[in-house]
Amino acid sequence: EDKVVQSPLSLVVHEGDTVTLNCSYEVTNFRSLLWYKQEKKAPTFLFMLTSSGIEKKSGRLSSILDKKELFSILNITATQTGDSAIYLCAVRSGANSKLTFGKGITLSVRP
Amino acid sequence: DTEVTQTPKHLVMGMTNKKSLKCEQHMGHRAMYWYKQKAKKPPELMFVYSYEKLSINESVPSRFSPECPNSSLLNLHLHALQPEDSALYLCASSQPHNTGELFFGEGSRLTVL
Repeated sequence: EDKVVQSPLSLVVHEGDTVTLNCSYEVTNFRSLLWYKQEKKAPTFLFMLTSSGIEKKSGRLSSILDKKELFSILNITATQTGDSAIYLCAVRSGANSKLTFGKGITLSVRP
Repeated sequence: DTEVTQTPKHLVMGMTNKKSLKCEQHMGHRAMYWYKQKAKKPPELMFVYSYEKLSINESVPSRFSPECPNSSLLNLHLHALQPEDSALYLCASSQPHNTGELFFGEGSRLTVL
């Protein structure tokens, strides 16, 4: 059975801190790893990673994938209160590209 | 604004009611998904349609009945639900057999009394 494990499950930081969110996976026929941010409604897409070692960057957020060690990290620098959300890691795998989510990491950024 | 539109945004129903959730996308995607999400939990896959045919059913109880009338529309028919079925129901779309992202709608929040 495909597994996606995120850590830590929750995190409280102060504005300006840098955080690193972890995602490890065990799947059959890996296709891609995706990061989503979820506030009150639908998950919104952050990054898709398919190749090892290539950093994806968007503003203060960046992410990288290690296909040998089967994990990804999502970094957020200079955190702001608007970064408070649940961060979901999901892996697409198998012939039908099924998407399996991790349990999510709840990030709280205090002023 | 999301390009996947779900209606209604909120639904309250009794255990004997029959209701439907609707989802529409106009991105030309040929795969559409229903996910169920309980509070503080990740989305759980329920159904996948690929080219308007049901390709994945994650052992969902028969009181949930999906329907894909055409490539843009996806329905979820609800009948004889239980209070524990109360959740956020998310629709998503993508290209089939793709590595790329799923595009999510804003969800329908269902309460079963």
